[in-house]
This record gives sequence, structure tokens and C-alpha cells, in this order.
Amino acid sequence: NAGVTQTPKFQVLKTGQSMTLQCAQDMNHEYMSWYRQDPGMGLRLIHYSVGAGITDQGEVPNGYNVSRSTTEDFPLRLLSAAPSQTSVYFCASRILQGAEEQFFGPGTRLTVL
Amino acid sequence: GDSVTQMEGPVTLSEEAFLTINCTYTATGYPSLFWYVQYPGEGLQLLLKATKADDKGSNKGFEATYRKETTSFHLEKGSVQVSDSAVYFCALSVYNFNKFYFGSGTKLNVKP
Repeated sequence: NAGVTQTPKFQVLKTGQSMTLQCAQDMNHEYMSWYRQDPGMGLRLIHYSVGAGITDQGEVPNGYNVSRSTTEDFPLRLLSAAPSQTSVYFCASRILQGAEEQFFGPGTRLTVL
Repeated sequence: GDSVTQMEGPVTLSEEAFLTINCTYTATGYPSLFWYVQYPGEGLQLLLKATKADDKGSNKGFEATYRKETTSFHLEKGSVQVSDSAVYFCALSVYNFNKFYFGSGTKLNVKP
């Protein structure tokens, strides 16, 4: 199993550009989530999904869109990038029932100029 | 609401020193508790977990005991190595809820 994969690993954007961060998992997990990690602020939840067709907002959703058309994929879209979105982005997944751990991808380091 | 509080870092220790990183939590349901480790430039990896009161999670010489009476899950290791230098996150998940709560992370530096 590849686990949770993310692409790209690094990305540089100019203000106002759009892009999609890709996330995929091969563990058949219902729950998937996106976090951003900023220095001194730990992990903050952006959006999450409990299954195909179902998404919800986390702590810091503004400026980001998500969709979940399949169990495996959970892309994060930045429609108009801003310097405040410079961060490291992590995707994670877990089974929905119970209180089990999340599995994390390797991260995408995004810089917005 | 549910939350996790862990000690601020950085924590700097010499090799073979004893490590404690404090973590306390508040939860309305029946949480499972986790410690994650993040090595430089990498994602988070699960280090250990405990799913009910008095459980002890252990892995790679690290231990943490789920203490319901003190709402704590402190991470300990008897003898740290340089390779343990990383950021450690305490986290909780409440049974059948859709949120996962992380502490702010504690950076550990181990000097040779």
C-alpha cells in the first residue's frame, strides 16, 4: 500500500494564480482531511470529508475549496492564491468509525509570492 | 469544547537524558489519545496511542499512559538519542466524532 500520497511536493505561485493540491489514499478510508502547518501554530484543519460527496469546513476554510467525488481522492483547490496561504499542507485519512489514528501524507510546501 | 494542551518548546537535552513532554486534554466524550512525531521535512507519523483509561502506549522506547483522573497523556523516554530530535504532537480523537484535535507541538533537540 502506498498509504496517503500528495502531489506536488513543492510549489511556487504568484498572487492570484490558482492551483489544485492532490491527495490520494489507497486504504479505503472514509474520512479525509486537509491541514495547514505554519510555524508556531501547529496544525489547523482546513476542510474534511466523511465520504464521497460529503465535505465540511474546518477551522480555517476561507480561500480553499474541496470536493470528494471518489473515496480515494480529496483535492484541495486554491482559486486565487494569496501570500497568507504560504504554508505546508498535509492531507490525512482514517477510518470513520471509532476513534482511530489518522495517517498523513508527506506534505506539500507552497510559497505564494 | 475538546482540546489538547502540551508544553511549549523547544526542549533541549543531552544524549541519554530522560525526556518528559507534558500533554493534558479536555474532552466531552470518550477520547483516544495519540502522540505523533514529525522529523524535519517530513509528514506526521504515529508514535503511539492509547484508547482507554490506564492504557499505556509504547513504541521505540517512548511511553505514555492515559490518565483519566488527571486528564493527561505525558510522553516519556528514559534515554534520548540524537535521532529523536523532532517535533512531537499530542492529539485526541473522540469516539465517532469527525474532529481530531492537535496540540501545538513541542520541538525536541538532542545534543550529542
